[in-house]
Amino acid sequence: DAGVIQSPRHEVTEMGQEVTLRCKPISGHDYLFWYRQTMMRGLELLIYFNNNVPIDDSGMPEDRFSAKMPNASFSTLKIQPSEPRDSAVYFCASSLGGRNTIYFGEGSWLTVV
Amino acid sequence: AQKITQTQPGMFVQEKEAVTLDCTYDTSDPSYGLFWYKQPSSGEMIFLIYQGSYDQQNATEGRYSLNFQKARKSANLVISASQLGDSAMYFCAMSGLAGGANSKLTFGKGITLSVRP
Repeated sequence: DAGVIQSPRHEVTEMGQEVTLRCKPISGHDYLFWYRQTMMRGLELLIYFNNNVPIDDSGMPEDRFSAKMPNASFSTLKIQPSEPRDSAVYFCASSLGGRNTIYFGEGSWLTVV
Repeated sequence: AQKITQTQPGMFVQEKEAVTLDCTYDTSDPSYGLFWYKQPSSGEMIFLIYQGSYDQQNATEGRYSLNFQKARKSANLVISASQLGDSAMYFCAMSGLAGGANSKLTFGKGITLSVRP
């Protein structure tokens, strides 16, 4: 089975540009999570969805960040406008309700210059 | 609020020996889940093992076992017969089980493990 698929794997963009990160969860999974990893703050949850509905977005840093899940097989995390402090690895993860395993994608490495 | 503490500095182990990575936690939730993930230098997060707070037995997955001591609020990862490929960063994480095991994870800072040949 295919795992969680994220794109792009690497992105370098200029400050002020819009960035869109994409995620395809494992087929059949009903939970989707977006995490961010930085050296300073470690791994932190940004937002998570259950059955395509956002459940907790308290980790979204500010209005520049937005996430959508239009269907069960696709989610986006958008940053507009991007800033250098947004440079991080962004992970998407998914899980199946009732199971005790949360699977991560390979991450999207974002650098904002 | 949930908190995960991983305070060990970089750990070193000789190939084929066992190693224990420490994790302590704090939570007010009556039930919760504990996870360990491995992050090699390539960056992906690899699920290793899960322990539920009401599980009677310690979890095991191949060479990985979780030494769960509920009263001490510790969930140490034991890796037996270390291999060179085990060199990585290891994260302990916790979830509340209010919504099943799939609520958000709180991660520790991680421990770097280096396996020596």
